[in-house]
Amino acid sequence: QKEVEQNSGPLSVPEGAIASLNCTYSDRVSQSFFWYRQYSGKSPELIMSIYSNGDKEDGRFTAQLNKASQYVSLLIRDSQPSDSATYLCAVDYGNKLVFGAGTILRVKS
Amino acid sequence: DARVTQTPRDKVTEMGQEVTMRCQPILGHNTVFWYRQTMMQGLELLAYFRNRAPLDDSGMPKDRFSAEMPDATLATLKIQPSEPRDSAVYFCASGLGSPRETQYFGPGTRLLVL
Repeated sequence: QKEVEQNSGPLSVPEGAIASLNCTYSDRVSQSFFWYRQYSGKSPELIMSIYSNGDKEDGRFTAQLNKASQYVSLLIRDSQPSDSATYLCAVDYGNKLVFGAGTILRVKS
Repeated sequence: DARVTQTPRDKVTEMGQEVTMRCQPILGHNTVFWYRQTMMQGLELLAYFRNRAPLDDSGMPKDRFSAEMPDATLATLKIQPSEPRDSAVYFCASGLGSPRETQYFGPGTRLLVL
């Protein structure tokens, strides 16, 4: 069973703080990892992808990957109320993406 | 602004009825995915196509679900007969190449089977 685990939350952070979202996966052979954001009632949209160990930064977002620990995370700096959404971690298991259940993030102003 | 389109956006039907959902992928995209999202199961892959050929439909209940791509601009997902447990949001996504490439999701079809 190829699994992607996320804490469902909600994760509540004050505006301006760093939000840290975590994801673990079960298959060591996975090579590609993604974070999608989904606003309530909307469709998922890709915000970050990461393929190599280490950090990848894009604006206020940083994805971190540790393949040895089978762990991927997303940091959101200077969190804004507009970041309030569900964040889905997705892992490439060869021929398809497997999504986690998502973490609900709430940024309070 | 290229987008994936899906119709209908909402569908309410009675158990036993046939349901057909349609998707128009982004022009030029050669990969199409069908996902189902529920509170309990999250986002699950039902099927995907590359260059109109089905590559994986292992996530789809074969007895009642079918997916096709009659042409490069249309993908369909049919449920016959529908059951209340099929109530979910069905998303279509398209992309270029493999599933690890960026997938662009449509707005979804919200299905309620009574």
